[in-house]
This record gives sequence, C-alpha cells and structure tokens, in this order.
Amino acid sequence: QQQVKQSPQSLIVQKGGISIINCAYENTAFDYFPWYQQFPGKGPALLIAIRPDVSEKKEGRFTISFNKSAKQFSLHIMDSQPGDSATYFCAASKDYKLSFGAGTTVTVRA
Amino acid sequence: KAGVTQTPRYLIKTRGQQVTLSCSPISGHRSVSWYQQTPGQGLQFLFEYFSETQRNKGNFPGRFSGRQFSNSRSEMNVSTLELGDSALYLCASSLVGGLGTDTQYFGPGTRLTVL
Repeated sequence: QQQVKQSPQSLIVQKGGISIINCAYENTAFDYFPWYQQFPGKGPALLIAIRPDVSEKKEGRFTISFNKSAKQFSLHIMDSQPGDSATYFCAASKDYKLSFGAGTTVTVRA
Repeated sequence: KAGVTQTPRYLIKTRGQQVTLSCSPISGHRSVSWYQQTPGQGLQFLFEYFSETQRNKGNFPGRFSGRQFSNSRSEMNVSTLELGDSALYLCASSLVGGLGTDTQYFGPGTRLTVL
C-alpha cells in the first residue's frame, strides 16, 4: 500500500503564484523526507529535504513545512516560474529505502 | 563529475524473456538503489546494494534480482518477463546510503517495454 499519500495529483498556477503540494505518512519510523523534481525523460532530482526534528526548511523559492504530530509535510514553491513545470514527488525514508508519493504534476502558465 | 549512467536507455522484449539492466554509479558512491516507475504504481523501491551486499529489498517477486560488483557498478535482472513489467527502471547512487545525511542521485532510467 502507498506509505506516503500525496495531493493534489496535478495543479495549474500562474507565473508568480504559489504552488502547494501536500503529503501525509503513517510510519513514524521514517527519518528523512526529501522532495524530488522530475522532468519528462529524466530521472528524479533532489530538490530539498528535511529531517523530522525541523519544522521548516527554505532553499531559495522552495520551502518544506513539516508537522510531526500530524504526520504531514508540504512543499511550497514561491514565485512559480514556467521552468518549474515538472512532476514533484515527496518521499520518506527508512533503512536505506525511499517510499514515494504518487507525484504532482505542476504546470506554470506564463 | 559524471552522473549516474544506465544502459541501455531503451529496451524492447517479449513475454517470457529475461533482461539485464546496468547501472554505473557516480565515482566514489558505494550505495546503489533500484526503482521501478510506472504510471499506475508510481515509483517503487526494488532493492539497495552497498559493498556488494543487498541491505534492503522491496515487495517484488523473485523474478526481480540484482547484484553489485566490487567497483560499485550494479545490474538488475528480470526473468520470465510479463507485460506488467513494462516500466522505467531507475538507478540511484549515494555515498554510503544513509539517506538522512546522504543525497541520492538518480540516473535517466532504462525504458523497458514488454510485448
């Protein structure tokens, strides 16, 4: 079964807008929560990651918010650009294994 | 620094055949993981190798197997191919595989089509 649930499946945002992707997990043993960005024909690339003892992490226009008690985390893409159009995957890791969410296809309209 | 390379990039096989996919990790990386990506099931973990030892495996049938060589290069094999094995197979490498402190880099994948 899907250990990490991701929503929405897709979203469309105007250039300059904010994209928000949400993920939830059940296994409290997960100890690392990365986000990956994937363009068509390419493998996923690490975007930003967070550990469960941190509530927020920001890198440039990308921010992860983490709520340990609710077992939820989210990715915010600020000032979205057409080049951000891609599929985004949240993931959670335990024992050298990544469990991925189903992915969110983000389309940024110019 | 060269990235993760996977060969071949595309492969077409028929049901019942077997296939071997190859992955060369980034130089100095000793951990290699394999994932299957399909539109229906998304990205699913197959197995992870470190120093020629399998440390973890996902929930795939025994037809899926892998190995790692002393130079950290890895191969995965799928025997008795089924239509449902059509997927993008991704390899990822990291220094030692401790994902809490160790970035995992993905290759471009091998697109396998089973007819």
